[in-house]
Amino acid sequence: KQEVTQIPAALSVPEGENLVLNCSFTDSAIYNLQWFRQDPGKGLTSLLLIQSSQREQTSGRLNASLDKSSGRSTLYIAASQPGDSATYLCAVVTDDMRFGAGTRLTVKP
Amino acid sequence: GAVVSQHPSWVICKSGTSVKIECRSLDFQATTMFWYRQFPKQSLMLMATSNEGSKATYEQGVEKDKFLINHASLTLSTLTVTSAHPEDSSFYICSADSSLAGGIYEQYFGPGTRLTVT
Repeated sequence: KQEVTQIPAALSVPEGENLVLNCSFTDSAIYNLQWFRQDPGKGLTSLLLIQSSQREQTSGRLNASLDKSSGRSTLYIAASQPGDSATYLCAVVTDDMRFGAGTRLTVKP
Repeated sequence: GAVVSQHPSWVICKSGTSVKIECRSLDFQATTMFWYRQFPKQSLMLMATSNEGSKATYEQGVEKDKFLINHASLTLSTLTVTSAHPEDSSFYICSADSSLAGGIYEQYFGPGTRLTVT
């Protein structure tokens, strides 16, 4: 059974800092891995999708990497802004979709 | 932690028929539930936001007459795919919001339903 873990559970940084969110999974036989943003009371917003054959994806200030063999993915956020404050979730797709518990990010002005 | 169930976990139906998927929050009340869809090799996409006792809010491009959502109680939301076609074959997943003290929301996900339309 796939297990997905996200570290840290919460993170508070001052504006402008670069930061890294971590996601680990136990079964490396995945189809893809996705990073999402969740704002309170809202549905998920898809940030980045990494196929199993890919090593990384970039979108603006976001960069996600995937190391299947070690069961790890990282989401790098450059030059953080208060508007980045949200919960970030990673999800791994094998036969179904498994979510991590999320990292709650607070970026202080 | 809180548990969200979906039923069925997988379903195969013939083109033209309708399929109902249930999403239940088992040990908490959810005023808001979300329905997502994922096609193979694509990202999970939000279809609609469902609030108990009111009409669902659909994302752009999602046909509300085709994907009927009913949030009849604080623990149950249903998605009915009407007149299903092969292109509706997808993985459907729901999530439920559990509001905690201090204005913090936790969102819990169901295990998903894999729909195949033949």
